[in-house]
Amino acid sequence: QVQLQQSGPGLVKPSQTLTLTCAISGDSVSSTSAAWNWFRQSPSRGLEWLGRTYYRSKWSDNYALSVRGRINIKADTSKNQFSLQLTSVTPEDTAVYYCARNIASAGASFDYWGQGTQVTVSS
Amino acid sequence: DIQLTQSPSPLSASVGDRVTITCQASQDISYLLNWYQQKPGKAPRLLIYDASHLETGVPSRFSGSGSGTHFTFTISSLQPEDIATYYCQQYNNLPTITFGPGTKVDFK
Repeated sequence: QVQLQQSGPGLVKPSQTLTLTCAISGDSVSSTSAAWNWFRQSPSRGLEWLGRTYYRSKWSDNYALSVRGRINIKADTSKNQFSLQLTSVTPEDTAVYYCARNIASAGASFDYWGQGTQVTVSS
Repeated sequence: DIQLTQSPSPLSASVGDRVTITCQASQDISYLLNWYQQKPGKAPRLLIYDASHLETGVPSRFSGSGSGTHFTFTISSLQPEDIATYYCQQYNNLPTITFGPGTKVDFK
């Protein structure tokens, strides 16, 4: 059974960097058949895909246009986890953040999710 | 960007009712659509993938259909545990994916 356990601060000051981690059990971040994603959800923006990282013969990542230039998603194979870094945050980045897995052969359906982390951007 | 609209929202029904939610895409997305259930304070749960395929472990009262721009999600007999918000999600232009605005289902 795959489990994703999120960790990270719930409060970030404006202009600072938001960092969240998603620890994986029951699968490998280096799996060549999975991709590891970050989402967020807010009343104003709904459910929003932020980006993903995945390994095939090398590591690759993709990011949503809305956060491109501020986002970095990277895997830590030694800890079997992946992380989200979002720089220069503003109050508009306040949201519940989720990590999730999708299996490459299953298109883009997200079958396992983390528990969610409420992140508030405020001074 | 492909936009998804859902209707109705919200939706009020009674236990045992047949409930239908529609999802309209702004352009042809073939069958590349999934449905999720989300309860308050919880992550979304995948119910239907590729428009009509039931995810493993999901009760058979849930079903999906459609292709192109028009999709339907049905609960054949609403149960108390089905009270939630339901989202459609398209993946026609990977890696970008988008979700619909959600349909909140509650009891009359």
